[in-house]
Amino acid sequence: EAGVAQSPRYKIIEKRQSVAFWCNPISGHATLYWYQQILGQGPKLLIQFQNNGVVDDSQLPKDRFSAERLKGVDSTLKIQPAKLEDSAVYLCASSSQGADEQYFGPGTRLTVT
Amino acid sequence: AQSVTQPDIHITVSEGASLELRCNYSYGATPYLFWYVQSPGQGLQLLLKYFSGDTLVQGIKGFEAEFKRSQSSFNLRKPSVHWSDAAEYFCAVVANSGGYQKVTFGTGTKLQVIP
Repeated sequence: EAGVAQSPRYKIIEKRQSVAFWCNPISGHATLYWYQQILGQGPKLLIQFQNNGVVDDSQLPKDRFSAERLKGVDSTLKIQPAKLEDSAVYLCASSSQGADEQYFGPGTRLTVT
Repeated sequence: AQSVTQPDIHITVSEGASLELRCNYSYGATPYLFWYVQSPGQGLQLLLKYFSGDTLVQGIKGFEAEFKRSQSSFNLRKPSVHWSDAAEYFCAVVANSGGYQKVTFGTGTKLQVIP
């Protein structure tokens, strides 16, 4: 069974630029999560999808972050414009349903200069 | 609102010694409880989970955890630590919140293993 795929693995951008991350969850998983993990901290949930609907985006900075999950499969997370404090690893995870274990992708390490 | 506390930021143990990592949660009912491990440069991997039933759960790599309702705790244990266990460990809680399953991670405990 293929795992959660993410791309790119690394990205370096200047502040005020935009960036997009892509995630392909495990086939058949209804729930998809995006997390932000700042160095030395635990994963912080940014947004949770159930199929293609959003169930929790309470911690998503909506003035600069956006996410979508078209057709309930792949998802993209966008930051526009980026700030220095957005430097972090962005993790995508999926689960068959909300209460199940999550399977994590390798993450995208974003550096904003 | 639910919350998870991992009071130990960093723990150092000798190889072969026993290990206990603490996790406390705050939630009105019994949530679903998880422990994940993140090795350097790796993604997070599930060690074990508690949904219901037996309060002592076994996981991979020789880890176990005990759910104690009276203490709102879900501590992770291993009787004999191996050098390869050096990693960061995260406790997570999933609980019903407004009709969906809300997940909250703790801040993590970094484990260092010395020879």
